[in-house]
Amino acid sequence: NAGVTQTPKFQVLKTGQSMTLQCAQDMNHEYMSWYRQDPGMGLRLIHYSVGAGITDQGEVPNGYNVSRSTTEDFPLRLLSAAPSQTSVYFCASTPSGSGGGYTFGSGTRLTVV
Amino acid sequence: RKEVEQDPGPFNVPEGATVAFNCTYSNSASQSFFWYRQDCRKEPKLLMSVYSSGNEDGRFTAQLNRASQYISLLIRDSKLSDSATYLCVVTLKTSYDKVIFGPGTSLSVIP
Repeated sequence: NAGVTQTPKFQVLKTGQSMTLQCAQDMNHEYMSWYRQDPGMGLRLIHYSVGAGITDQGEVPNGYNVSRSTTEDFPLRLLSAAPSQTSVYFCASTPSGSGGGYTFGSGTRLTVV
Repeated sequence: RKEVEQDPGPFNVPEGATVAFNCTYSNSASQSFFWYRQDCRKEPKLLMSVYSSGNEDGRFTAQLNRASQYISLLIRDSKLSDSATYLCVVTLKTSYDKVIFGPGTSLSVIP
């Protein structure tokens, strides 16, 4: 059982480049979310989805897009990378109605230079 | 005021010690409460839920005080493997389950 799989694990981008962070889960969870984690800031919600075809903004959505065409996949797109987007990105999923009991992916460490 | 606050630590304790972490939250409408554990350079993992009546899982005891809006985690007989950052998590029921993570408290258990 793979759980939540994120790729890539590490990425270096130049300012202005775009890229997609992949996230897939095999637990049939309805809720999926993207968080970024910065030192001293805790985890901050970027975008979330409550089911296929439904997405919405979280706390820090600017500069990111998401889509949810299937239950399993929830990619995060950086439109034009900026140094402020240097962070660790986590994808997480949970069954509908379970509150905060999330399963996290192993993270993507992104550096924008 | 931050929605969820924790003492950042670090807490440095000897093996076998008992250590307690506190967490405060600002929104009285908060509904669900959790403790997560995060090892260095790893993803957060759910440690335990926190129930109003308090709950225990082996060496770990979690308590909730809704009146004072704080949550606690007690670790007894600390092991080296308990060294990690402990995240307090609070959920609000809005249009979705708004999950708010605290910044974490760092624990180092020393031989």
